[in-house]
Formats: sequence, structure tokens, C-alpha cells
Amino acid sequence: AQSVAQPEDQVNVAEGNPLTVKCTYSVSGNPYLFWYVQYPNRGLQFLLKYITGDNLVKGSYGFEAEFNKSQTSFHLKKPSALVSDSALYFCAVTSGGYNKLIFGAGTRLAVHP
Amino acid sequence: SAVISQKPSRDICQRGTSLTIQCQVDSQVTMMFWYRQQPGQSLTLIATANQGSEATYESGFVIDKFPISRPNLTFSTLTVSNMSPEDSSIYLCSVRAGGTGTGDYGYTFGSGTRLTVV
Repeated sequence: AQSVAQPEDQVNVAEGNPLTVKCTYSVSGNPYLFWYVQYPNRGLQFLLKYITGDNLVKGSYGFEAEFNKSQTSFHLKKPSALVSDSALYFCAVTSGGYNKLIFGAGTRLAVHP
Repeated sequence: SAVISQKPSRDICQRGTSLTIQCQVDSQVTMMFWYRQQPGQSLTLIATANQGSEATYESGFVIDKFPISRPNLTFSTLTVSNMSPEDSSIYLCSVRAGGTGTGDYGYTFGSGTRLTVV
């Protein structure tokens, strides 16, 4: 069965500092990994995905994520956080094909001025 | 990528009634997915809807409570039946962004339906 763990309910970062939001996964087969962001009262927005190829994936708004197969992780990173990055972040996984996408519990990112 | 039109965007309903949520996609897609997001929670998959066959429900969700229709490759509905306050959630539909082809494996989401049951 597929599963995703986001071990931190909330991450607090000062503006300008690097940020990391953690995600680990469990799937049978090759994982397809995704990060989404949800702002208050708004829909789910796609940030980036890993399907195959380079382990470092670059996405929207300056975010990137590194796929680590040995650690079954897909942590989201940004070199310099902005206050406007404050939102709810979801990691999700599927095992390829047209399979269902399973979401982690979400991590609330708070960037302080 | 596909564009999804989901409606209604929000509704307030009386307990015991039913609400049907619609999702229209601007391209043909093989699978559509329905999710529930309870207040302050993550997205939980309710069911996967294929055109021409019955939906596949996840554990904890049943067809009598959440009947789904999928009459063609661009449209689906989810009905929340005999509602109670515990059904108050955001309901979202989703499709594979690549449509019926191999695509880019991304998933697109509707803007959601915010349901409040009183």
C-alpha cells in the first residue's frame, strides 16, 4: 500500500533563511512524487514532481526537491524563504501509471518577517 | 494541462439532504478522482471514477453515501447523500493532467466545493 509521511505539522522559518519541508514515502514499485501548496481559501496548486531522471527537481516559485531512493525521501527546499511562502504544503505519491495519488498529512509553513 | 470546472464552489445544506457536485474537464481523461478534505486535514481519496464502469471506492467510503456518475470522458458527479454535520468538508475532483495519453503524470485539481451541513 502507498503511504506518505510528513513528520512536521508546522515549520517556522525567518524570511531570507533556507527552508526544508520533509516527506518520506512508501510504495511498491517506482514512486512518482509530488508537492502541492494550498493557500487559505484557495485551491491546490502544483509545485513540482519527480517521475524519473535527475534526483534534484526544480519547480515553481523557486522551490526544489531532492529524491533520495535509499532514504525514501522527497524533501521540499527553498534557498531563501519569503513571507508569501506561508501556506499548507502537501507531499503526495503514486506508483506510476494511472494510479491514485495519496497525500501526506500536510505541513504548515510559517515564514516570519 | 487539463482545466477543471467544479461547481458549486460552496453550499450550506440541511442535514438529511443530498448535494451533487459536478466536475467538467476541458479534455478527455481516463480516470477522475474524488477527494475529501475535512477541516484542517489532508486530502483523503474517496473513489476513482472510470468512464463506463462503476467507481472504485476507498476503505471507509461506500457507494450508498457517495454515489458517483461518470457518463463520459469529460464529466463526473459526486453526490453526498443523507448529509450530517460530519460531512462538512471541502470536496475536490482531480484528473491526470496528461489526459488519455501518457501525458506528463501531473494531476490537476478542481477548485473545490466547500460544504457546510447544518
